[in-house]
Amino acid sequence: DAGVIQSPRHEVTEMGQEVTLRCKPISGHDYLFWYRQTMMRGLELLIYFNNNVPIDDSGMPEDRFSAKMPNASFSTLKIQPSEPRDSAVYFCASSDRVNQPQHFGDGTRLSIL
Amino acid sequence: KQEVTQIPAALSVPEGENLVLNCSFTDSAIYNLQWFRQDPGKGLTSLLLIQSSQREQTSGRLNASLDKSSGRSTLYIAASQPGDSATYLCAVTEDSSYKLIFGSGTRLLVRP
Repeated sequence: DAGVIQSPRHEVTEMGQEVTLRCKPISGHDYLFWYRQTMMRGLELLIYFNNNVPIDDSGMPEDRFSAKMPNASFSTLKIQPSEPRDSAVYFCASSDRVNQPQHFGDGTRLSIL
Repeated sequence: KQEVTQIPAALSVPEGENLVLNCSFTDSAIYNLQWFRQDPGKGLTSLLLIQSSQREQTSGRLNASLDKSSGRSTLYIAASQPGDSATYLCAVTEDSSYKLIFGSGTRLLVRP
């Protein structure tokens, strides 16, 4: 299996622009997670889905952030409008059951200027 | 609110040494605990997962223990190698929400 695939790997954009991060989970995995990693706050869970349905979005920092999972093989995390403080590495992870290890993608390094 | 702490924040050891990384959590109502490895510029790789009913898990040179009542876990690495150099993160899954809460990690450097 190719593992969790994220795109783009790097994104540099100007403040106020819309940013869309993409994730393809491992086939057959029912759970999909979006995380953000910063030096100050470490790794934080933003939102997770089960069978394409958002279960817990309490970690989404503001209304500027939104996430969708239109089908079992694709999810997006969108920031609109973006701000410099959104600069971080965003990870997507998937697992086949809640008590099984999560498999992480290589992340998207986002820089908002 | 669940908090996960890892000590030490950084560790440098000579090759061949056995070492222990520590993780503590404030709320014992956990579903499981996982140890991850993160290499620079990469995502996380799951090393070991211990269910709340288990005491330890082993994989090769790695052994992780869990003492749920005291809120502690340790990751033991035997005969360390330079390739073990990475950041090691501990994370607990909350019993109620299945959310993964991470510690800040321990940066390990194994010197040849």
